[in-house]
This record gives sequence, C-alpha cells and structure tokens, in this order.
Amino acid sequence: QVQLVQSGAEVRKPGSSVKVSCKASGGTFSSYSISWVRQAPGQGLEWMGGIIPMLGPANYAQKFQGRVSITADESTTTAYMELRSLRSEDTAVYFCARERTGLYETHHPSAFNIWGQGTLVTVSS
Amino acid sequence: DIVLTQSPDSLAVSLGERATIDCKSSHSVLYSSNNKNYLAWYQQKPGQPPKLLIYWASTRESGVPDRFSGSGSGTDFTLTISSLQAEDVAVYYCQQYYDSPPWTFGQGTKVEIK
Repeated sequence: QVQLVQSGAEVRKPGSSVKVSCKASGGTFSSYSISWVRQAPGQGLEWMGGIIPMLGPANYAQKFQGRVSITADESTTTAYMELRSLRSEDTAVYFCARERTGLYETHHPSAFNIWGQGTLVTVSS
Repeated sequence: DIVLTQSPDSLAVSLGERATIDCKSSHSVLYSSNNKNYLAWYQQKPGQPPKLLIYWASTRESGVPDRFSGSGSGTDFTLTISSLQAEDVAVYYCQQYYDSPPWTFGQGTKVEIK
C-alpha cells in the first residue's frame, strides 16, 4: 500500500523560504503525478502545482509562479515543495497528494487517492 | 481557470436522513473522447487530509460506503449521502481535473448533525 510521509512542522520568518518533503513508500513513484495542495487555517483547499517525477518539470498555479519550486528525487522516492519570500498569508497546512492512475495506465489526469499527513508551516515574525 | 461553486456552504441533517451537496462548474468537465466527467468528491475531517470518495463524478472509491453516491454531467454535479451517519460529519469538497492544470476545488460544504 502506497504511503506518503511528509516532513515535520516548520516556523519561518517573513521573507524566508521553506522546503517540505514528501516521501513515497510501498509502490511505484516515478510514473505517478504528485501535487501539492495547501489549506490556510479554517479555509479550503488550494492546488499549488504538481510533477510527474519521470517527466519533470513541474506545473504551477499562476498564483505561485516564481515563488514555488516542486521537484522530485527518483532515487529516494521523495518529492519536495519549496516556497520562497514567505509572508504571513502562507501560514497553512501543506499536503502532498498522488493521483490514482499513473502514466503507464493512462495519459489522462486523475483524482488524488493518496495524501500525505500534512505539514504545518507557520510564518511569523 | 475553472471555478467550482458548491452549495450550500453548510447543512444540518438528521441522522438517517439524506444530505445533498451541489457543485457547479464554470466550464464543462466532460471529456467527449471518453465520455468521462473529470470531477471528484472528497471528505475531510478535522486534523486529517482529504479522503477521496468519488471520481469520474460517479465512481465510488474502493472502501467507501455505498450510502455515498455522485451524479451529474458537464457542469452540474451532486454528492448524495443517502442516510447520514454520525461519522459523516465533515467538510466535503468537489475538485476538477479536466484537461490540464490548474486543478481547482470548490469552497467546501460543512455537513453537521441536526
């Protein structure tokens, strides 16, 4: 059974950067798209971007273009999300999520059936 | 970007009664080449990640109780909980994954017990 395990909570000052990791275990990594979705306190879900490790590069939501980098290391089956120039509005729980079908099954996108546990990033001076 | 609008924002339903949540898309998410609607429904409980309930608008994910069902096509979709149980108290989100990113979510609907 595939699992996604994320790195622990982070506290950062405004203007700094944070890098969150998402390690996949128990299944195929490279051919499945992994996305990052964030959730501000008491708010809804917001897609930030995603990557298919064997293809790269990542796609990003326009809102985060230039400020976020999503990468994947096939050797360690780990995906990363780095967010720069942090501001207080970036305080949120950040989730990684894997699509339910991979490239060898379909070239079409699919829903997210596996999620990491979430990583709380707090931005405060 | 495709905008998804859910209604209502919240609802309270008696145990055993039906709960219905609507999701309206600003653009059709029906892919004509395979006749599939690229829409999913998720359940999120406090402190937990979202859980996939329904994909392709009406296909139940493995292990999801059959009281959960999805319907609709094109731009209008519905999630129905046929007989609300206490463990169904949660926030429910629709999400589109049509064609190419960005993927978007509805604003969420909070379901409570009356």
